[in-house]
Amino acid sequence: AQSVTQPDIHITVSEGASLELRCNYSYGATPYLFWYVQSPGQGLQLLLKYFSGDTLVQGIKGFEAEFKRSQSSFNLRKPSVHWSDAAEYFCAVEGGSYIPTFGRGTSLIVHP
Amino acid sequence: NAGVTQTPKFQVLKTGQSMTLQCAQDMNHNSMYWYRQDPGMGLRLIYYSASEGTTDKGEVPNGYNVSRLNKREFSLRLESAAPSQTSVYFCASSAPGPQAYEQYFGPGTRLTVT
Repeated sequence: AQSVTQPDIHITVSEGASLELRCNYSYGATPYLFWYVQSPGQGLQLLLKYFSGDTLVQGIKGFEAEFKRSQSSFNLRKPSVHWSDAAEYFCAVEGGSYIPTFGRGTSLIVHP
Repeated sequence: NAGVTQTPKFQVLKTGQSMTLQCAQDMNHNSMYWYRQDPGMGLRLIYYSASEGTTDKGEVPNGYNVSRLNKREFSLRLESAAPSQTSVYFCASSAPGPQAYEQYFGPGTRLTVT
């Protein structure tokens, strides 16, 4: 069975600071990995995805994530956070069944 | 191109009442999904439909039924609402082929059962 852990429920950063959101997954083979963002009162929007190939993937809004097989991780990063990045972030894993498993989410708070 | 639409946006029900949440997508996607989102729980899959004419249970199907009316529409029905069903409900769809793993979400329905 596949599972996802997002260890941080809340992360607080100052505007302009760098950001790293953690995601660890459990799956027997190479999974498909995703990061989604949910702004307040909205649905989820795909930020980026990893299927295969280059382990560093670029997404929208200046985000990137790195797949590390040895650590079963897929951490999300951004070099400089903007106030508009304040949102809930979800990591998801999928093992080929077309049914993803979502983490519980990390709430990002951005201080001016 | 509206993407995934959901109606209603908000709903308040009394315990025991029934209602149907509507979802439609205009992206010609094969697969559609219903999730519920509760604080601290992430998204949990209620039901999904891999293609028109098929539906399957997800992680938390009890108390719900679904209908895949056609390729565009996938409805979720609460026959007898309970306070435990107070939640935000999201519909999603995904494309056929290599992009089948990426999901597109609607804006959600906020349901309160009193």
